[in-house]
Amino acid sequence: QQQVRQSPQSLTVWEGETAILNCSYENSAFDYFPWYQQFPGEGPALLIAIRSVSDKKEDGGFTIFFNKREKNLSLHIKDSQPGDSATYFCAATGFASALTFGSGTKVIVLP
Amino acid sequence: AQTIHQWPVAEIKAVGSPLSLGCTIKGKSSPNLYWYWQATGGTLQQLFYSITVGQVESVVQLNLSASRPKDDQFILSTEKLLLSHSGFYLCAWSLDGDWGGGQNTLYFGAGTRLSVL
Repeated sequence: QQQVRQSPQSLTVWEGETAILNCSYENSAFDYFPWYQQFPGEGPALLIAIRSVSDKKEDGGFTIFFNKREKNLSLHIKDSQPGDSATYFCAATGFASALTFGSGTKVIVLP
Repeated sequence: AQTIHQWPVAEIKAVGSPLSLGCTIKGKSSPNLYWYWQATGGTLQQLFYSITVGQVESVVQLNLSASRPKDDQFILSTEKLLLSHSGFYLCAWSLDGDWGGGQNTLYFGAGTRLSVL
């Protein structure tokens, strides 16, 4: 049972465009949603996170939009740069539950 | 500052051979420790977690075992490797206390790339 779903599987954008990554979840008990960024050959690193009491979180050029009623969220990468090319994982957790990762979205930013 | 070190960086092993991967965390006492597995291009699957020395919980059965012999050390091992064990193994730590409460950020190591032939 895939509790966290991500789409698209891969995404190519031009430098300067906004990349939009989608994530949905099934478990209503999830209340914390971190996004991790992973470069090839490296471990993932926390990029930005949101709690279910908020509907938006911004950090630099990264913004999470969260819709609790629809059980989905999205990560917007504004003014994408080639250095943002990476795989992005949406994750979710709640009380007494392990962090559950989605399948990832590979983002390629073309110069 | 906390640092997490995994070893080896990469391994090429034969089917049926033993394996031992290690992870050390410095600068943080009594962290929660985790082993994750990632297939090439795949998601992150939690394998084991430990909240204290000597105690390890298994999350999935993959013919692997884990041990925590010291507060800052986490070991992943098996006596007989399978082809399906190939992948990227990641050790991670989080702050202790609110395990599973959704408040704990995971900090990952650089990983070990395992190829089983």
